[in-house]
Amino acid sequence: QVQLQESGPGLVRPSETLSLTCTVSGGSIGTYYWSWIRQPPGKGLEWIAYIYYSGTTNYNPSLKSRVTISVDTSKNQFSLKLSSVTAADTAVYYCARQSRDFGGTWFDPWGQGTLVTVSS
Amino acid sequence: DIQMTQSPASLTASVGDRVTITCRASQSISSYLNWYQQKPGKAPKVLIYGASSLQSGVPSRFSGSGSETDFTLTISSLQPEDFATYYCQQSYSTLFTFGPGTKVDIK
Repeated sequence: QVQLQESGPGLVRPSETLSLTCTVSGGSIGTYYWSWIRQPPGKGLEWIAYIYYSGTTNYNPSLKSRVTISVDTSKNQFSLKLSSVTAADTAVYYCARQSRDFGGTWFDPWGQGTLVTVSS
Repeated sequence: DIQMTQSPASLTASVGDRVTITCRASQSISSYLNWYQQKPGKAPKVLIYGASSLQSGVPSRFSGSGSETDFTLTISSLQPEDFATYYCQQSYSTLFTFGPGTKVDIK
């Protein structure tokens, strides 16, 4: 059974770069699309970006200028970098696998999430 | 962007009640609509994909319907473990967007 685990600093200073890694276990990162999704405390969900194991990417236009997503198939990991962070980027960050069929695309499974706080 | 709205924003119900949550898209999304359940401190869990397909392992009291712009999630008989927040999500566009959520509380 595939499991995902986010890792990275829980505190980032304003204007710096947030960096997170998602490690996939129990299965290969190959043949799937992988996403980052975030949720500010007490608020809803925002999709950030996805990457295919081959390196194809897609970004949310609202964050595109600040986001980079990458994949390391040798480590079965994918990563997120968000630059020039502000307090508005404080959120729980989730990684998730995208499942696809004729019914579209949905996120399953998800990592447990990691809270990143932007503060000086 | 395709905007998703949900109603109600919250509801209070009793165990055994039939509960219906509505999701509306700002444009037609065919049947590319998914439903998630999120409990406090936990990641969302997919319940329904493709508007009406039940994810493996999800109890059959959950069902989804709708197409184009209007969708519903129905819980036929609310159980104690169903008190949570429910989100819809569209995948018609690869700019994936979620609804604001519906919180289901205990009466």
